[in-house]
Formats: sequence, structure tokens, C-alpha cells
Amino acid sequence: IVLTQSPGTLSLSPGERATLSCRASQSVSSSYLAWYQQKPGQAPRLLIYGASSRATGIPDRFSGSGSGTDFSLTISRLEPEDFAVYYCQQYGRLPRTFGQGTKVEIK
Amino acid sequence: EVQLVESGGGLVQPGGSLRLSCAASGFSFSSYWMTWVRQAPGTGLEWVANIKHDGNETSYVDSVKGRFTISRDNAKNSLYLQMNSLRAEDTAVYYCARGGSYSAAWGQGTLVTVSS
Repeated sequence: IVLTQSPGTLSLSPGERATLSCRASQSVSSSYLAWYQQKPGQAPRLLIYGASSRATGIPDRFSGSGSGTDFSLTISRLEPEDFAVYYCQQYGRLPRTFGQGTKVEIK
Repeated sequence: EVQLVESGGGLVQPGGSLRLSCAASGFSFSSYWMTWVRQAPGTGLEWVANIKHDGNETSYVDSVKGRFTISRDNAKNSLYLQMNSLRAEDTAVYYCARGGSYSAAWGQGTLVTVSS
């Protein structure tokens, strides 16, 4: 399954709302979709699994939604620490696949 | 505290071999599927392989099939990735991660550079 994320880069200011998109080439079964955040020099951090369930310790300003082939990650109000690269991943089929990433940068 | 520590990376010539290790602690290693994910410099994440908790089931991305072998030693709480016939395009940071689907725990990665 090919995952296509858009936009490639999102330029926003702290306090603004961010909406990231992830589109799958085939339906993702049972909403087996996850979102990760990655900062430079760090390992990815799990934010969302099952399309909409927040991982342990993830602030509620992060929310995930969608089903089938269209998914989104929303950050309700950007904090300075949220500027990073975000990846979606499907785990409904093998091989697992990641999107190419969306960079959220400070405007 | 869950910890995953990769080792074994380095510089290797094209066609060469390398074995990566991942030492796990802070959780019941033998109860979890495990995964290797890689990231080429300046690019995104690529899922490489995973292995069932008992080692009896493995899966690979097409680009490494026949060249890479994932394995584990539950007595040593360790995960491995044997990489043979290495190519320049295998150059990446290799992460081990807990879980066979999504991963809530990741190591810090080990860099593999394939170059002459």
C-alpha cells in the first residue's frame, strides 16, 4: 500500500491549527493507521494508532481521524515543540509502509 | 523503562556484510513482535522487516528479500539483522522497534554506510 502525505511542507505559526493528510492507494483495513513525529537526530515517536487513538502521554491537541483511504492528523494549537516531521504508517498489510512525511515548520 | 539499544553499524564496502544487534530491556522481550526500520540520509522512514515473538514468522520489504535476515534470541533479549550483499542504497540509520504493527518504542538507531 502506497501512502501519500500532503502537503510536503506546512508553514505555520505557534498557536495555529495544523491539518496533515495521508492518502492510501488501497483501503487500509480496520483503520490500521498510525502517525509518528520525528525531530532531527531523534527516533520517531508514536502519536496515534488505530487512526484515532492517542498513544500514552500524547497531549490531546493531537487528534487523528479517517478511514478507508483518507486519514488526517490535526494539531489543534501548535506549540513550539510540535515543529517536526510527521509520518503516517499503515499496518494492515505486509509490507508495512510509511508515507514520505510532512514537515511542519515555523512561519 | 523500555530500552532498545542498537549496535553493529559502520562502514562497509559494496557487496559486504554486516550484522546489527538490538539489546532490549525493561519489558518482556519474548512476548513482542519486533521490527527493523531504516532511514536513508535526509529521507523518510522505510519498514525493513519484522519477526514474530517466537521467531517462527518473518516478513521483509521486497528490496531486501534474499539479502537480509531478521532473527532473535529471546534468552538474550536480543534482535538481529544480518545484512549481506550490501548496496549503496542500503546506507541508512537502522532502528529497531518494539511491535510488529505500529511501534511505541524505538531505539536511537545505528548508522550503516555502504561505500568503497
